[in-house]
Amino acid sequence: DIVMTQSPDSLAVSLGERATINCKSSQSVLYSSNNKDYLAWYQQKPGQPPKLLIYWASTRESGVPDRFSGSGSGTDFTLTISGLQAEDVAVYYCLQYYSTPRTFGQGTKVEI
Amino acid sequence: EVQLVESGGGLVKPGGSLRLSCAGSGITLSNAWMSWVRQAPGKGLEWVGRIKSKIAGGTTDYAAPVKGRFTISRDDSKNTVYLQMSSLKIEDTAVYYCTTEDVGFESWGQGALVTVTS
Repeated sequence: DIVMTQSPDSLAVSLGERATINCKSSQSVLYSSNNKDYLAWYQQKPGQPPKLLIYWASTRESGVPDRFSGSGSGTDFTLTISGLQAEDVAVYYCLQYYSTPRTFGQGTKVEI
Repeated sequence: EVQLVESGGGLVKPGGSLRLSCAGSGITLSNAWMSWVRQAPGKGLEWVGRIKSKIAGGTTDYAAPVKGRFTISRDDSKNTVYLQMSSLKIEDTAVYYCTTEDVGFESWGQGALVTVTS
């Protein structure tokens, strides 16, 4: 199984500042035949299901604000929130969909 | 707009069984890969299992902790996917979400709470 490890477990960021969340996979999630990283990012607010933010490591889902961006390849990935807004307070998860079983990171709690 | 609605959650004793349903609208579930993801109280997300689309063979895969105890199936006439859970354990207590799977998990239901307690 691919183990996904996020860092940090939590972080506090001032409004308008940048939040950076890291995700490391225990093996590469880059599929060589199409050169795509099978890595997604989710946002989950209390009492709500997770919401897809980013897929293919850096492609923003439709309707997701452009302050959310994803980067990285292979085994190391980053989710960046540029200009944190109050509504961005949530837990963020990375997911690998390269292989079965699908596995999530443990989550990163973002607070103001 | 895709909508997924889970139902069937509740209280069950250890060793008992329960069946969750996931009804779809705005989507033909037989054309989709459908997964179940669970979240224990205050914990992170855990993939439970998946049923592939009909065109992909309709086969199922399961996470190790539930393999042999949980079964995913589909009723195309009702546009519904099921999660049959048996030999339930206290550690199966969680909110269970059904999701569509393509580039990761895209559309999610609101979840069904399953509480396993004596």
